[in-house]
Amino acid sequence: KAGVTQTPRYLIKTRGQQVTLSCSPISGHRSVSWYQQTPGQGLQFLFEYFSETQRNKGNFPGRFSGRQFSNSRSEMNVSTLELGDSALYLCASSLAGAWNEQYFGPGTRLTVT
Amino acid sequence: AQSVTQPDIHITVSEGASLELRCNYSYGATPYLFWYVQSPGQGLQLLLKYFSGDTLVQGIKGFEAEFKRSQSSFNLRKPSVHWSDAAEYFCAVGPQLTGGGNKLTFGTGTQLKVEL
Repeated sequence: KAGVTQTPRYLIKTRGQQVTLSCSPISGHRSVSWYQQTPGQGLQFLFEYFSETQRNKGNFPGRFSGRQFSNSRSEMNVSTLELGDSALYLCASSLAGAWNEQYFGPGTRLTVT
Repeated sequence: AQSVTQPDIHITVSEGASLELRCNYSYGATPYLFWYVQSPGQGLQLLLKYFSGDTLVQGIKGFEAEFKRSQSSFNLRKPSVHWSDAAEYFCAVGPQLTGGGNKLTFGTGTQLKVEL
């Protein structure tokens, strides 16, 4: 069974631009969560989608948004990029219920210049 | 609010030596606890999890962890470390409330270096 895939793996953007990251979960997984990892703040939860609905949200500004499609694939969008948005963005998928173990993708490394 | 503390930022052990990585949690009920490992440039790989039952849980790659409610700890152990175990290790706790989805709260991580 294929693992979680994320595209692109690396991205360089300029301050003020917007970016869209994509995540394809493991087949059969209906929950997709997004995390931001930085050296200063560590791993922080962004949001979770389940059955195309946002089920949970972390403490990030409204510039960070996401969505999930009917095939469970998910995208996250960051608008008006800031230098501080440079991070590794990790996607994780899990089965339907809460407290299921999550399987992480390799991440998208976003650099904002 | 739930939280996870990993007191050791860096740990260095010799290959073949035993390993224990510490994790303490703050949680209002029975916690759902996880250990993940991250190699450079990679995502997180689940090593093991604790939901309930036996307090000593076995994971992949020869790792185990023991849940101790009285100490609010979930320490990760390995009897004999291999050079390939060098990586960053994260302890995490799952959501407290029913319907809390799959949000994980992570510790700050412990960077493991293995000396040959």
